[in-house]
Amino acid sequence: QKEVEQNSGPLSVPEGAIASLNCTYSDRGSQSFFWYRQYSGKSPELIMFIYSNGDKEDGRFTAQLNKASQYVSLLIRDSQPSDSATYLCAVEGQAGTALIFGKGTTLSVSS
Amino acid sequence: EPEVTQTPSHQVTQMGQEVILRCVPISNHLYFYWYRQILGQKVEFLVSFYNNEISEKSEIFDDQFSVERPDGSNFTLKIRSTKLEDSAMYFCASSEGPRNTEAFFGQGTRLTVV
Repeated sequence: QKEVEQNSGPLSVPEGAIASLNCTYSDRGSQSFFWYRQYSGKSPELIMFIYSNGDKEDGRFTAQLNKASQYVSLLIRDSQPSDSATYLCAVEGQAGTALIFGKGTTLSVSS
Repeated sequence: EPEVTQTPSHQVTQMGQEVILRCVPISNHLYFYWYRQILGQKVEFLVSFYNNEISEKSEIFDDQFSVERPDGSNFTLKIRSTKLEDSAMYFCASSEGPRNTEAFFGQGTRLTVV
């Protein structure tokens, strides 16, 4: 059974701070890793994807992947109140079609 | 900006009834997916579809479920005999290629079975 685990939170950070969101996965054969943002009652919105070990930066967002530890994280720099949402970690299996989602971490950014 | 469109946004149905959820994927996309999210729970994969056949399906996608691309634009999910536990948000997604790199999600259909 492929599992993706996330701390459900809530994670509370003040405006301007760095938010750090973490995710672990069970399937060592997983190849691709995704971070989605989901506002309440809305659909998931892709923020970033990462394939290779190391860091990948896109604006205020940095994804980090460590395949040996089966760990992926998302850093949000200069957090804004509009970043308040649930962040979903998703892992793509070897077959390449299904995304396996974690339950998500709720982030609250206070102004 | 192109988007995945789902109809209806909310559907209420009696237990045991058949429902069809509709999706219009982005026009040049070839891979289509259905996911569901029960309230307060995680997003769960149901099925992926390519070249008019199912590529992959989950354990959730049993004989009560079917998918179809009846024409060049629509992609449908049918639930033959709905159960209370089918109540969830159903999301359609599409991508240009086989990887989910640029998979775009529709806004979802909230299905309520009473």
